[in-house]
Amino acid sequence: AQKVTQAQTEISVVEKEDVTLDCVYETRDTTYYLFWYKQPPSGELVFLIRRNSFDEQNEISGRYSWNFQKSTSSFNFTITASQVVDSAVYFCALSEALRGQGGSEKLVFGKGTKLTVNP
Amino acid sequence: DAGVIQSPRHEVTEMGQEVTLRCKPISGHDYLFWYRQTMMRGLELLIYFNNNVPIDDSGMPEDRFSAKMPNASFSTLKIQPSEPRDSAVYFCASSLRGGGRGYGYTFGSGTRLTVV
Repeated sequence: AQKVTQAQTEISVVEKEDVTLDCVYETRDTTYYLFWYKQPPSGELVFLIRRNSFDEQNEISGRYSWNFQKSTSSFNFTITASQVVDSAVYFCALSEALRGQGGSEKLVFGKGTKLTVNP
Repeated sequence: DAGVIQSPRHEVTEMGQEVTLRCKPISGHDYLFWYRQTMMRGLELLIYFNNNVPIDDSGMPEDRFSAKMPNASFSTLKIQPSEPRDSAVYFCASSLRGGGRGYGYTFGSGTRLTVV
């Protein structure tokens, strides 16, 4: 079965520091999708990025960047020049095929990493 | 688009009472998922529907939990009778054609349930 491991339970940094959140996944599927979600203190789940297993290009969006490495089954997330507003719990997730559902999937989440950015 | 709408946002109830959580998915989405979030277990899938039909309820913790989707625009998750260990945040999510293959998942704001 699919599994997502976020080994860092909590990280605390000072504003403007760079921080990397680790995500390691396990799957037997050859086609799969990886996600990152942000859960701020208000509680909602905010979608950040989705990558498919065939695209290993790194992606950058403003201060956010993602490093996908199939060889190590990792999909790490880096925040550059962190800000207090980045304080949240960040979840990595993997799509798991819904058998018999024509290729549809459900999300399997890691336990999350709580990031605190101090001023 | 109003997104996925869940109600209530917060619910406090006494042990033994019936609790009903509600979800309105995004119009046109054909999959609906109910997730539960706790400190101990993280985010876990309880049940999902495709075109209003329950497909997999293997994540439902016990018979006290039930879910329905009477039409494409409404789903309920019911707990009867409720117990303190049911205290959690319950999320509803919807997607078009399962979400993973490029269509994405949209989550509601969640219902924080406290059973005292």
